[in-house]
Order: sequence, then C-alpha cells, then structure tokens
Amino acid sequence: EPEVTQTPSHQVTQMGQEVILRCVPISNHLYFYWYRQILGQKVEFLVSFYNNEISEKSEIFDDQFSVERPDGSNFTLKIRSTKLEDSAMYFCASSPHHRGVGKETQYFGPGTRLLVL
Amino acid sequence: GNSVTQMEGPVTLSEEAFLTINCTYTATGYPSLFWYVQYPGEGLQLLLKATKADDKGSNKGFEATYRKETTSFHLEKGSVQVSDSAVYFCAMIKAAGNKLTFGGGTRVLVKP
Repeated sequence: EPEVTQTPSHQVTQMGQEVILRCVPISNHLYFYWYRQILGQKVEFLVSFYNNEISEKSEIFDDQFSVERPDGSNFTLKIRSTKLEDSAMYFCASSPHHRGVGKETQYFGPGTRLLVL
Repeated sequence: GNSVTQMEGPVTLSEEAFLTINCTYTATGYPSLFWYVQYPGEGLQLLLKATKADDKGSNKGFEATYRKETTSFHLEKGSVQVSDSAVYFCAMIKAAGNKLTFGGGTRVLVKP
C-alpha cells in the first residue's frame, strides 16, 4: 500500500540555523499538508499546498516558514532561522484530488522530530 | 471558532473491556469527522470517518456515529486488545475546508 514518507526521522539543530524537512507524498495525490505537534500539545495545521502554491496557512506559518515542491515527488518544509519553540514533531500529509471538499482522507507520514537547542 | 474536544487520558483498560472515547466538536455547517490513531513510534493513521449526520464510521471493530444534535463523534470498541494501545485523535474538517482540526488526543493503554 502506498504511503507518505518523511526524512529525516529525527533532527537536532542549533537555534538560528536553517532546517529543511522532506516528504514524499503518495504519488497520485495532489494536495499536500504540513502539521506539527509540540510535545504534550495538539496536532496543529501549518499549511496546505495545491497546484504549486499555498492554498491555506495558519497564523503559525510566518515568514520563517516556506514550502516547496522542487520536483515531481518531494514536498519540503523549510524553517529559515529556527527558534527553541520550533521543537516539535512535524507531520506531512497528502490527499487525492477532492470530489467533495473536506471529505477526502489525508494520509500522514511518520513524522520528523525536530529538536532546537 | 472551530474546535474539537476529546476526553483526556490516559485511559487504562483490561483486555476485552469496552472502550469509549468521547469527542465533541464546534463548527458551523456540517464538518467531516475523523478518528486517527497513533501507535507507538508511528505516524497518524486514519481509523474511521463520517462525512454527514447519522453516518457511522467503522474499522477494526471500532465505531463512531456522527451525531449532529449533540455535535459528537464518540469512539467505541466492544472488546479491546493489547494491540489497541495507542493515542487516539478525533479531528474534523469544516465544510468547504481542507485543513484538519484535531482534539488533544487520548492515550489508551490496554493491559493483558
């Protein structure tokens, strides 16, 4: 069964450094998402991406964050200058083209645990 | 605003016990409702979903019914196994939206 993959599984970085989290969505999916979960807190939506542009973003997704689909398979989240509070588990998800908005299942990757020191 | 509230855990049960995890939502219109499960060391997996009122989602012995009148989507399983030990997340997507709003998660531990 096809699945979403993410790399790396764990990343440790120094405050102020740039990090790039990588995801390979399911191959025939057209919608891509990033979520994050700070330890002990809820899973929070960051951004959704469709047709090579951001379709929606949350207030968390400020200028320090960016997303890109550099080729036909990868979907990346870049944090330009990491802060301590960026430490979290970051989940990528994808869903197929929707016939009914909101009804399509989002398939999640295993996550990247980011620790900012 | 839109939100999902679910019972806090941890919930500790013996094998073959009945499990209920309460979930209520706040949203305008008719959101789609989901239960996701996270097994130790793994990502979020869809367990079941319901997209309109009175729909029942079911999978792996788990069930949840979309109750518009009580804005609820409680998860139930009649006889849990040790392998059901996981964190369970209730979530919704509002009508005409595509971002998931999650509840806080409920950790379930099933003891043999």
